[in-house]
Amino acid sequence: ETGVTQSPTHLIKTRGQQVTLRCSSQSGHNTVSWYQQALGQGPQFIFQYYREEENGRGNFPPRFSGLQFPNYSSELNVNALELDDSALYLCASNPTVGGGYTFGSGTRLTVV
Amino acid sequence: AQSVTQLGSHVSVSEGALVLLRCNYSSSVPPYLFWYVQYPNQGLQLLLKYTSAATLVKGINGFEAEFKKSETSFHLTKPSAHMSDAAEYFCAVTLNTNAGKSTFGDGTTLTVKP
Repeated sequence: ETGVTQSPTHLIKTRGQQVTLRCSSQSGHNTVSWYQQALGQGPQFIFQYYREEENGRGNFPPRFSGLQFPNYSSELNVNALELDDSALYLCASNPTVGGGYTFGSGTRLTVV
Repeated sequence: AQSVTQLGSHVSVSEGALVLLRCNYSSSVPPYLFWYVQYPNQGLQLLLKYTSAATLVKGINGFEAEFKKSETSFHLTKPSAHMSDAAEYFCAVTLNTNAGKSTFGDGTTLTVKP
């Protein structure tokens, strides 16, 4: 299997709800990073997981959390959704922490 | 801490003309620098990267960039624009080899006129 697959592609949630976004990485990709890309801006680093452990976090509150699984899939969970959480969420994976990352096409989250 | 500034949120060129997209960085240590391209409704694709080797870096699709420490710049160029180059371009910086923790600029939208 090649590429990074994210699901769903689009999602609409109500303020205060919780959401789970999913990412399926290539086999052997032990590192996954999640980014938030607001409209008209560049991606902002949320956090990174390496071998199922968090390996660094950007300037995001604790209501943003993640999981990485042994089958190279991962999740981004966001609790207590706010309107400003509306964005494109990207995951990117790599076999190691160095080198080039492969990005998925993203999940477009709209909070109303 | 590191940061990236992309000068010009929109750049328009004619097909066949030179493409120049500007990126300036701020970093307390020698940086690793990247250029990515994003087409509508897609993720980011790596064009090229600077990792402290040669200062002139060649990437895919005919793009190249030159690292200039004295100017803290990493501008992206392509000698002759194609219609297919129309997209959004992002410059990114990281302080170490971990490109998964990059800081991105706000992007430059490139329009190519026929």
